[in-house]
Amino acid sequence: KAGVTQTPRYLIKTRGQQVTLSCSPISGHRSVSWYQQTPGQGLQFLFEYFSETQRNKGNFPGRFSGRQFSNSRSEMNVSTLELGDSALYLCASSPSGGPSGNTIYFGEGSWLTVV
Amino acid sequence: QKEVEQNSGPLSVPEGAIASLNCTYSDRVSQSFFWYRQYSGKSPELIMSIYSNGDKEDGRFTAQLNKASQYVSLLIRDSQPSDSATYLCAVNHRDSGAGSYQLTFGKGTKLSVIP
Repeated sequence: KAGVTQTPRYLIKTRGQQVTLSCSPISGHRSVSWYQQTPGQGLQFLFEYFSETQRNKGNFPGRFSGRQFSNSRSEMNVSTLELGDSALYLCASSPSGGPSGNTIYFGEGSWLTVV
Repeated sequence: QKEVEQNSGPLSVPEGAIASLNCTYSDRVSQSFFWYRQYSGKSPELIMSIYSNGDKEDGRFTAQLNKASQYVSLLIRDSQPSDSATYLCAVNHRDSGAGSYQLTFGKGTKLSVIP
């Protein structure tokens, strides 16, 4: 079974630009979560989508947004990029989430550098 | 805000020794707990999940959970240099506002196994 696939793996953007990252979850998984990882802050939760609906959202500004499609694939977008947005963006999928079923599996991540 | 605390390390142990990694969490009603391993430059990979008080063993790894003390630990027996990585503790908790479940990660403990 294929794992979580993220594209692109590496990208460099300029301040003020926007970026879209893509994630294909494990086949059959309906929940997709996004995380930002930086050396100082660790893994921080961005948002989670389930059946095309945002089910949960972390404490990030509105410049960070996402969506999920009917095939469970997800995209996240960051507008008006800032230097501090440089990070590893991780997508994770799980079957459905829930109280004891929220084992998530990560993709390889997208490394974003903002210059 | 739900918190997960880990000693950042680095924790250095000699090859063949037992490495002990600890994690505390703030949400008393959390129900599921995970340990992830992350090599430098890579994404986190799931090592163990634990849901009930007590010990759970998988090969050289043992996860221990004490819900009364809000404490989770990971023991690595016969540590190998290949175990050198950052270990992330994750706790699943219910977001009362969203009504959904969310994984919160600690910032990780860096483990170095010295040959």
